[in-house]
Amino acid sequence: DAKTTQPNSMESNEEEPVHLPCNHSTISGTDYIHWYRQLPSQGPEYVIHGLTSNVNNRMASLAIAEDRKSSTLILHRATLRDAAVYYCILRDVGDMRFGAGTRLTVKP
Amino acid sequence: DVKVTQSSRYLVKRTGEKVFLECVQDMDHENMFWYRQDPGLGLRLIYFSYDVKMKEKGDIPEGYSVSREKKERFSLILESASTNQTSMYLCASRPVGRVGEKLFFGSGTQLSVL
Repeated sequence: DAKTTQPNSMESNEEEPVHLPCNHSTISGTDYIHWYRQLPSQGPEYVIHGLTSNVNNRMASLAIAEDRKSSTLILHRATLRDAAVYYCILRDVGDMRFGAGTRLTVKP
Repeated sequence: DVKVTQSSRYLVKRTGEKVFLECVQDMDHENMFWYRQDPGLGLRLIYFSYDVKMKEKGDIPEGYSVSREKKERFSLILESASTNQTSMYLCASRPVGRVGEKLFFGSGTQLSVL
């Protein structure tokens, strides 16, 4: 399975944009890029996913590099409730393997 | 809303006991998964099931088995619990179909083996 690399932790100020990076240099042409997040004391929840084009939904935006070797999850205005561990995962027809993710701290 | 329900939020067992962790989903999803989560290690896949009576090993199946007799229920079994199986266990389900289909997780079971 293709692997992803994320920073262990990041900090942000409340109401500022946050850009969470993910490197996936061995991505294959059919791998989808998924993002999940895990709030404290909860199971992970889906955030967004994409294949080649940038994607937007009510939670976040996903920017995918033209060569698809990296992607960035964008939270447009971080709130305290966005403090969580964010996971970047690749999936083709296999099953999702989660790494350690990025722990996002949001400061008031 | 999709609901994935894990039978216990907290569980304390003794070494050597047989432990059953139950997971039920109400969305008629074909695929179900068991992960364990330990500090600094993220989520690791134990077993998954593509459909009733089907099971596949994940990355860390040793010491575990699973049962999927009905579509909505996926059980994780620790045949003889050991202290290194103390962990948070997370169940998830997903409909079959497009690759982009998302996983729905339960709230987890924190298992302590003493």
